[in-house]
Amino acid sequence: DILMTQSPSSLSASVGDRVTITCRASQYISTYLNWYQQKMGKAPKLLIYAASNLQSGVPSRFSGSGSGTDFTLSISSLQPEDFATYYCQQTYSRPITFGQGTRLE
Amino acid sequence: EVQLLESGGGLEQPGGSLRLSCAGSGFNFSNYNINWVRQAPGKGLEWISYISNSGMTIYYADSVKGRFTISRDSAKKSVSLHMNGLRDEDTAVYYCAISQPPKHWFDSWGQGTLVTVSS
Repeated sequence: DILMTQSPSSLSASVGDRVTITCRASQYISTYLNWYQQKMGKAPKLLIYAASNLQSGVPSRFSGSGSGTDFTLSISSLQPEDFATYYCQQTYSRPITFGQGTRLE
Repeated sequence: EVQLLESGGGLEQPGGSLRLSCAGSGFNFSNYNINWVRQAPGKGLEWISYISNSGMTIYYADSVKGRFTISRDSAKKSVSLHMNGLRDEDTAVYYCAISQPPKHWFDSWGQGTLVTVSS
């Protein structure tokens, strides 16, 4: 199985900050990497697909980059509604695996 | 508007069975692959099962293989997850999520249904 490791596991930030979350795959996954946002008690929501593509309706302050094994999710200027947990997901091979999550607080 | 609605969760004893359903509306259900993802209390996301749009391709995570069975009824626009031999560690919120081939990301998710396995 491909192990997805996110860092940091938690992140303290303030409104207006720029934040970056990293995700590392244990083996090559090309750009088969997606990012989801999950707010407390809610279902995950797709933010970024195929490493760098912004899902329709997602604010442009979110961006993704990377390929191979190393990926990043960036939020250019944190808004109050962005405080949530973020997960990366690889869909390169079965079983699909997720990172352990990064809690933004 | 795409909507996914899970149902069938509840409290079950270890060794028991439950059947979860995921009903879709607002999209062409037969064009989409369906995944089940679960989240144990306070934990991260775990993918557990997949069924292709045709129903011909099915995958399971090792943690549920041999105990869970996924199926779909395109006429009813629903997917079921039959869960047998439930264990304490199956306690989680279960989400269904869709992907439209050949895309591989999960476009939309249901709100989830809670399964609690406890004696």
